[in-house]
Amino acid sequence: AQKVTQAQTEISVVEKEDVTLDCVYETRDTTYYLFWYKQPPSGELVFLIRRNSFDEQNEISGRYSWNFQKSTSSFNFTITASQVVDSAVYFCALSDVYNNNDMRFGAGTRLTVKP
Amino acid sequence: DGGITQSPKYLFRKEGQNVTLSCEQNLNHDAMYWYRQDPGQGLRLIYYSQIVNDFQKGDIAEGYSVSREKKESFPLTVTSAQKNPTAFYLCASSRTADNSPLHFGNGTRLTVT
Repeated sequence: AQKVTQAQTEISVVEKEDVTLDCVYETRDTTYYLFWYKQPPSGELVFLIRRNSFDEQNEISGRYSWNFQKSTSSFNFTITASQVVDSAVYFCALSDVYNNNDMRFGAGTRLTVKP
Repeated sequence: DGGITQSPKYLFRKEGQNVTLSCEQNLNHDAMYWYRQDPGQGLRLIYYSQIVNDFQKGDIAEGYSVSREKKESFPLTVTSAQKNPTAFYLCASSRTADNSPLHFGNGTRLTVT
């Protein structure tokens, strides 16, 4: 069975601090996809990144970076120099290569960035 | 602009009544999904549809029903059989039913008393 664990329920930081959101997953599949979504107060989830299990290269997009480590089944997300607008709930998700209907979401981490 | 529209944003119903949540997309996506979100929990899949006139049960389909008569529309009915219907409901779509990223609507918060 596939499972995603986001152990950090809530994180609070002060603006400009760096923050890392942890994501650990379980799967028996050798090929899979990992995702991160952001849910701002408005409610909709916004897609941030998708990572194929064959691609372990870290990715950086502006202040966001992702560290994928297959050896530890982790796909952590770091925000550098956090801003108040980064305040949201962040979800990590795992999906089968062929079917989105099998996507498993973690419970989410609520990030609060204080000015 | 393309997107997913869910209406209404807030919905209140009395116990025992069926209620239908609307979801419309103009992204020309083939696949559509309904998720339920409860406090402190991740999203759980209720129903999904990969093509028009076809849909499948997700993990928590009991007490819910859907239809997919048009590509753009995927309404969800919460029936009186759903034992704990108060929740935040999110509709999503993806270009195809494989691992394409999901696009989400703003959600409908349903309160049943």
